[in-house]
Amino acid sequence: NAGVTQTPKFRVLKTGQSMTLLCAQDMNHEYMYWYRQDPGMGLRLIHYSVGEGTTAKGEVPDGYNVSRLKKQNFLLGLESAAPSQTSVYFCASSYGGTSNQPQHFGDGTRLSIL
Amino acid sequence: GQSLEQPSEVTAVEGAIVQINCTYQTSGFYGLSWYQQHDGGAPTFLSYNALDGLEETGRFSSFLSRSDSYGYLLLQELQMKDSASYFCAAASSGNTGKLIFGQGTTLQVKP
Repeated sequence: NAGVTQTPKFRVLKTGQSMTLLCAQDMNHEYMYWYRQDPGMGLRLIHYSVGEGTTAKGEVPDGYNVSRLKKQNFLLGLESAAPSQTSVYFCASSYGGTSNQPQHFGDGTRLSIL
Repeated sequence: GQSLEQPSEVTAVEGAIVQINCTYQTSGFYGLSWYQQHDGGAPTFLSYNALDGLEETGRFSSFLSRSDSYGYLLLQELQMKDSASYFCAAASSGNTGKLIFGQGTTLQVKP
């Protein structure tokens, strides 16, 4: 039972570098989400997708882009990394978008920007 | 603004009962969920309330009062493995799955 898989698990970047975080789910879920979690804080929504080919902005979208070309994958891109983007990034998915649908999370990607 | 408030830390002893409170202020509200996170790992879903009242799932129960914009998570018969962070999350939309999370409550269970 893979569930939600995030790649890579750890990464160190230099300021200005770019990278893509990959999220893959095998539960045939329609909805997918990217969050960031900073020390002592809850999760903040970066972008989300309500289906293949769709994306929308969350609470903190600046500096990030996303793509959902395939239903099972949701990619998060940092075009020009900044130290303020040092964080733990979590991907999640849910079967539907109604408020009673639980979100299933990956194990996170720990990203440090130097 | 939209925000959820919960205590930052709670300590209790094994076998005891602990209540973690959450008050919310959101522009739209469709329900309150609770998630558990061990040591910075993947958050896992615990419970959901859409209507006023108590929902029970084993040792965990969750309560919601929409009129008071308040909810709580009740953990009974505490075990050492319950030491974790607990997050309340408000559904701000009825069809996008968007959640607004509180800052989390770190529960430490002592022997």
